[in-house]
Amino acid sequence: DAGITQSPRHKVTETGTPVTLRCHQTENHRYMYWYRQDPGHGLRLIHYSYGVKDTDKGEVSDGYSVSRSKTEDFLLTLESATSSQTSVYFCAISESTGGSANTQYFGPGTRLLVL
Amino acid sequence: GQNIDQPTEMTATEGAIVQINCTYQTSGFNGLFWYQQHAGEAPTFLSYNVLDGLEEKGRFSSFLSRSKGYSYLLLKELQMKDSASYLCAVRARSYSGAGSYQLTFGKGTKLSVIP
Repeated sequence: DAGITQSPRHKVTETGTPVTLRCHQTENHRYMYWYRQDPGHGLRLIHYSYGVKDTDKGEVSDGYSVSRSKTEDFLLTLESATSSQTSVYFCAISESTGGSANTQYFGPGTRLLVL
Repeated sequence: GQNIDQPTEMTATEGAIVQINCTYQTSGFNGLFWYQQHAGEAPTFLSYNVLDGLEEKGRFSSFLSRSKGYSYLLLKELQMKDSASYLCAVRARSYSGAGSYQLTFGKGTKLSVIP
C-alpha cells in the first residue's frame, strides 16, 4: 500500500468554523489530489497539486482552498464550513500524469460532519 | 465535460462470473481505470487500460473499446469478499494548471455477492 495518511480521520464541526484536513505521503510523489465522495455523485475532484506551491482547481473547488509547502504534505481548508460540505474526503497521490504512472492511490479518508 | 455511466447495483452468486459495464463520452481520452471500494474504505486500484483489448489480472479482467467508448470489468469465481463498489474512472487531458491529465469517476456499481 502507498504510504498515505490523512488526519483527522473523523471530525464534527459547526457551520461557519474553519476546518483544515491534512494529507501526508511518504512516497515522494509529485502529484497530490483532494476528492470528496457523496452518495449519488461518486468521487469529485476539489483541488490538486503538481508540485510544491503549485496547485489548481478541480470540479468542485468553491469554498475550499489548498496549500502545499512541502512535497509530503497537502492541506485542504474549508474557510467557513457549511452543511453542504459534509462529506467523506479522500486524498490521492500519483507519481506522474502519464501512462500507468498516473495511477492514483488513495488515503484512508476523512469523514467530516458539519452541523 | 465528461459523462460516465455504469449500473448502480448488481447482484451475483458466489462462484459465478459477473461483468460490470462502463460507458463514457469524453474528449482527450487517455486511459481508463477500475477501482474497488469496500464500504467505509478507500478506493483501491484494480486495472488500467489505454489500448483496445483485454487486460487480465488473476480473477479480474478489464476490457476497453475506445471507438465505442466502452469498458467492462469481468470478475470470475466470485467470492463473498468481492462484495464492494466498483468505480470506473476515465483519464483525459486537463487544459488548466500544468496541463496534466485528470480522472473523472463514475458513480460506481455496488456489487452484492450472495451464497
